[in-house]
Amino acid sequence: AQTVTQSQPEMSVQEAETVTLSCTYDTSESDYYLFWYKQPPSRQMILVIRQEAYKQQNATENRFSVNFQKAAKSFSLKISDSQLGDAAMYFCAYRSARWGVGSQGNLIFGKGTKLSVKP
Amino acid sequence: SAVISQKPSRDICQRGTSLTIQCQVDSQVTMMFWYRQQPGQSLTLIATANQGSEATYESGFVIDKFPISRPNLTFSTLTVSNMSPEDSSIYLCSVGGNGPYEQYFGPGTRLTVT
Repeated sequence: AQTVTQSQPEMSVQEAETVTLSCTYDTSESDYYLFWYKQPPSRQMILVIRQEAYKQQNATENRFSVNFQKAAKSFSLKISDSQLGDAAMYFCAYRSARWGVGSQGNLIFGKGTKLSVKP
Repeated sequence: SAVISQKPSRDICQRGTSLTIQCQVDSQVTMMFWYRQQPGQSLTLIATANQGSEATYESGFVIDKFPISRPNLTFSTLTVSNMSPEDSSIYLCSVGGNGPYEQYFGPGTRLTVT
């Protein structure tokens, strides 16, 4: 079974600074997808960024980028120029690419990292 | 993308009663998922609901406690039966699209059991 581990329960960053959230995962599969979701106090899950395991290039979305190390099974999120609105819970998630074959297609989540942004 | 609504958004219920949560999607989707998020915790999959078939439950979740209906491709319900305070959680409906990146979440239902 796949597992996702986020070892940082809480992180803090100064506004305009850069912060990196860690995520490691365990899987025996070679093809899969990784995601970072943001959950503000509103509870709405918001997709921040995604990465396909078969792509070597790290995904980037504006101020958000990932460092994907497939061999090390590591998938960290870097937030640049942090803003007050970035304060939220961040969840790392895994999704198998084996659609309908031993997988329902659901996401497997880490425990989350609570990010606070100091003005 | 898919827009998902859930009803109710929150409720306070008494021990021993049942609550049915509705999930409505603005487009037809094949897969629907129900997650539970206990206070301060991550999301845990309760079950997968595909239209026309029985829901598939994850380990630790049973149909008698969490019956699910999926009458069509845009709607599903999750019932939390015979509630206890341990059932106090946020329940989220999620849908999967045709692509691997397409998974959308409803706003969640915050349930408090007293």
